[in-house]
Amino acid sequence: AQKVTQAQTEISVVEKEDVTLDCVYETRDTTYYLFWYKQPPSGELVFLIRRNSFDEQNEISGRYSWNFQKSTSSFNFTITASQVVDSAVYFCALRAIIQGAQKLVFGQGTRLTINP
Amino acid sequence: DTEVTQTPKHLVMGMTNKKSLKCEQHMGHRAMYWYKQKAKKPPELMFVYSYEKLSINESVPSRFSPECPNSSLLNLHLHALQPEDSALYLCASSQASGRAHEQFFGPGTRLTVL
Repeated sequence: AQKVTQAQTEISVVEKEDVTLDCVYETRDTTYYLFWYKQPPSGELVFLIRRNSFDEQNEISGRYSWNFQKSTSSFNFTITASQVVDSAVYFCALRAIIQGAQKLVFGQGTRLTINP
Repeated sequence: DTEVTQTPKHLVMGMTNKKSLKCEQHMGHRAMYWYKQKAKKPPELMFVYSYEKLSINESVPSRFSPECPNSSLLNLHLHALQPEDSALYLCASSQASGRAHEQFFGPGTRLTVL
């Protein structure tokens, strides 16, 4: 069975600090896909990144970076020089295929608060 | 245009009412999804439509009835709901259901059942 664990329920930091959100996944699939989504207070989930299991290169997009490590089944997300606008709930998700259709298995989410 | 729209934004209904939620996308996506999200919880998948056919029903009670009139529209018909059905209902779409394409989400409808 697929499972995603985000052990950090809430994180609070001061603006400009770096912060890392942890994500640990479980799957028996040899090919799998991981996602990160951001959910600001407005409610809409915003897609941030998709990573497949055969590409272990880390990725950087501006202040965001992702560290994918198959050996530890982790896909961690780091925000550098955090800003107040980064305050949101962040979800890590794993793709599962059921009856030929895609389903996202979400972690419980990490609520990130950036204080000015 | 990577936008999924949902109407209404907010809905308050009684347990005997019938109402509908609407979702629309114009990205040419062929898979559409309904999720339910309770406060401080992750989204829970309810239904998946792939090429306008229902492909996943996650054992959702029959008081929720999905409909996909065409590839751009997805409706969720509500009837005889319970107060515990109050939640944020999110619609999403993706290029194709069987592939690992990212899902794009709408802003959601906040539903309150009295």
